[in-house]
Amino acid sequence: GAVVSQHPSRVICKSGTSVKIECRSLDFQATTMFWYRQFPKKSLMLMATSNEGSKATYEQGVEKDKFLINHASLTLSTLTVTSAHPEDSSFYICSARDAGASGGAAETQYFGPGTRLLVL
Amino acid sequence: AQSVTQLDSHVSVSEGTPVLLRCNYSSSYSPSLFWYVQHPNKGLQLLLKYTSAATLVKGINGFEAEFKKSETSFHLTKPSAHMSDAAEYFCVVGDTGRRALTFGSGTRLQVQP
Repeated sequence: GAVVSQHPSRVICKSGTSVKIECRSLDFQATTMFWYRQFPKKSLMLMATSNEGSKATYEQGVEKDKFLINHASLTLSTLTVTSAHPEDSSFYICSARDAGASGGAAETQYFGPGTRLLVL
Repeated sequence: AQSVTQLDSHVSVSEGTPVLLRCNYSSSYSPSLFWYVQHPNKGLQLLLKYTSAATLVKGINGFEAEFKKSETSFHLTKPSAHMSDAAEYFCVVGDTGRRALTFGSGTRLQVQP
């Protein structure tokens, strides 16, 4: 089946530093990837839609200068949390759609294992 | 606009008994609906999906869900719970326009021995 990886799986950083999280589709091409944030014991909140070769589309309330998204290739999207602060601590999850799928399969998103960010 | 409501934040069953996790949705379009499972410290795994084909959808690990348009429901069921089913379950509706997903608040399934 389709596999999505994320790196790193866990990161601890000091307040004020920037952190980059990678999301890769390992065995399929993804023109669209999504970034979600999950607070403890809460549901997933869509942050932005990452489009290969163009600017990301951010959800209302998500600061695009704070959460920089780059989708430079069909298999890689990155999320950079700039000048991280403790309130940015969370579980960040990416997902990807298979660009080669059609019909019902095109609706399926494959999720990465998530990255736990802790900002001290 | 679309939304999804999971009616129970927590469900506890005994091993070997049936499981019912309830989900109601709201969508302006003919929706795509999914159930995902999240085990502790694991990624989200797709259990099953409905994309306007058969209304009774069979998924992995013995789970199934029935799409009922008249009730705007997509409840998840399993005839016999197993200890390994203990996890967080998310009902999800897809926006066919943007292809984005909207997650329900989740239901934590506890399976008692």
